[in-house]
Amino acid sequence: KAGVTQTPRYLIKTRGQQVTLSCSPISGHRSVSWYQQTPGQGLQFLFEYFSETQRNKGNFPGRFSRRQFSNSRSEMNVSTLELGDSALYLCASREEGAIGYTFGSGTRLTVV
Amino acid sequence: AQTVTQSQPEMSVQEAETVTLSCTYDTSENNYYLFWYKQPPSRQMILVIRQEAYKQQNATENRFSVNFQKAAKSFSLKISDSQLGDTAMYFCAFMLGSSNTGKLIFGQGTTLQVKP
Repeated sequence: KAGVTQTPRYLIKTRGQQVTLSCSPISGHRSVSWYQQTPGQGLQFLFEYFSETQRNKGNFPGRFSRRQFSNSRSEMNVSTLELGDSALYLCASREEGAIGYTFGSGTRLTVV
Repeated sequence: AQTVTQSQPEMSVQEAETVTLSCTYDTSENNYYLFWYKQPPSRQMILVIRQEAYKQQNATENRFSVNFQKAAKSFSLKISDSQLGDTAMYFCAFMLGSSNTGKLIFGQGTTLQVKP
């Protein structure tokens, strides 16, 4: 089975631009979660989707929009980028009822 | 609200020796899971070991074992026979046991360096 695939691996954007990050979960995994990792704040939960429905949401501004498609792939869009959005964005998936998550290698976003 | 605390930002150990990473957590819930994840320079978070709170027996996975003290809300990771490939950042994480809650709460991490 292929693992969790995140694209792109690296991104450099300018303040004010928008960006879309993509996550393809392991085949059969319908739960997808996103996390933001920064040196100062550590790992922060962004949101979780299950079968195209958002189940949990972290404390993030509305500039962070997200969705999940019928094939369980998930996208996160960040609009009006700020310097503070620079981070490693990690996606994780799991089977319903499973305990542990499998993570992807992340997308490193740099906002300049 | 649940919190996870790792009080050791950095640790080092000689190859083949044993090292213990500390983690404490706070929750008023009774049904939850605890995890240790490893993040090497490749950035991918890898599940090392997990513990169900309702299980009294400490989890073990080869060279990795935990000391789960539920009353003290402590969950330490012991790495035996440390190998160079164990060099990574280690995160302790908490998740509620409700089937509808998939949110992981992470500690700040401990950077472990294994020296030859």
